[in-house]
Amino acid sequence: GIQVEQSPPDLILQEGANSTLRCNFSDSVNNLQWFHQNPWGQLINLFYIPSGTKQNGRLSATTVATERYSLLYISSSQTTDSGVYFCAVERGLDSGAGSYQLTFGKGTKLSVIP
Amino acid sequence: DTEVTQTPKHLVMGMTNKKSLKCEQHMGHRAMYWYKQKAKKPPELMFVYSYEKLSINESVPSRFSPECPNSSLLNLHLHALQPEDSALYLCASSRQTPSGSYSYEQYFGPGTRLTVT
Repeated sequence: GIQVEQSPPDLILQEGANSTLRCNFSDSVNNLQWFHQNPWGQLINLFYIPSGTKQNGRLSATTVATERYSLLYISSSQTTDSGVYFCAVERGLDSGAGSYQLTFGKGTKLSVIP
Repeated sequence: DTEVTQTPKHLVMGMTNKKSLKCEQHMGHRAMYWYKQKAKKPPELMFVYSYEKLSINESVPSRFSPECPNSSLLNLHLHALQPEDSALYLCASSRQTPSGSYSYEQYFGPGTRLTVT
């Protein structure tokens, strides 16, 4: 199956700092999503970004599908940004159809300290 | 509205009990999913329903039995579980093309935290 690697596994930031999280994947994908899992377990959609660049407030993401990686940028971090960030990909089938199977990376655990 | 709801939030059950987890969405999505997440691990796909038909079963033990009674509801029936089945169970949904050939962004519910004693 498709391999998804996230780095770094753990990250500690001072409030106000910027950070970049990386997601590498081993095959072409139909779907790539970034999630933030809060301490209560809720997976919050950040970006649906199989290719290109998107921005939402202090967060932005870039996926370079041809090079099989995606980056999540967090600027001016806040304590509420703490939690685990997951990258998840859906491999495309040989026919070009979707496989419906999201494979998650192991996540980056972010701790933002005041 | 991008809300997926799940009930109950917490469930404690013995190994001989039968219980059900429920998931509901009103976004008109025709693909629905069950995931299992153990502590400090990523979610793992269990089942996928496409247009109310089971399309993917990731070799899940038969003590987990999914059901999709209509396009808005998804159930997971639990019977004779083991303590190692204790986990966070997440439901998700997504749009899907009528041909079923392409799926879109998945939206997750808050999960049911299950403890098997």
